[in-house]
Amino acid sequence: EVQLLESGGGLVQPGGSLRLSCAASGFTFSNYAMSWVRQAPGKGLDYVSAISVGGGGTYYADSVKGRFTISRDKNTLFLQMNSLRAEDTAIYYCARGGDNYDYWGQGTLVTVSS
Amino acid sequence: EIVLTQSPGTLSLSPGERATLSCRASQIVISSYLAWYQQKPGQAPRLLIYGASNRATGIPDRFSGSGSGTDFTLTISRLEPEDFAVYYCQQYGRSPITFGQGTRLEIK
Repeated sequence: EVQLLESGGGLVQPGGSLRLSCAASGFTFSNYAMSWVRQAPGKGLDYVSAISVGGGGTYYADSVKGRFTISRDKNTLFLQMNSLRAEDTAIYYCARGGDNYDYWGQGTLVTVSS
Repeated sequence: EIVLTQSPGTLSLSPGERATLSCRASQIVISSYLAWYQQKPGQAPRLLIYGASNRATGIPDRFSGSGSGTDFTLTISRLEPEDFAVYYCQQYGRSPITFGQGTRLEIK
């Protein structure tokens, strides 16, 4: 059974940093591109970032470019988030795939507030 | 970027009825790279349709997708109680990937 389990969310002050993790199991992680998608409270879905199968290709939404860094290692996906802003407050989902997403984690909540 | 506009914003129907949800793109969606997701409260989205008309694994055949170019449709042929949720379309043919704002399907 495919499972994606996010962790690392929490409350952080504006300008702070967080590192999200997504532990993958039930499939061959190295064979799939992976992505992060976020959802602000009560709002719709927003693409954040994606990483290619080998990790050599990384892609970002304009809103996070230069502040967020996606990476992968063994069976885990990461999202390093720096210079956080109030508008980054959202549930962050890890998803399997680089374009459409056939499996999603349950998400981890990031709250940016003073 | 490609803007996806979903209509209606809210759709009120009864179980057993047919639901038709629309997704219109501001530019042509290349190769029909259009997906549909279902999201229930407190849950992650679930992939229903990819490539405009291909059902994802385990999705019942009452769900169907159609369309090309800039106009796409998700049809639920006969609504079951568990189908009442929010539905999002997504285009992945051109960077950046974008989502529609969602259609809420509620019980009448």
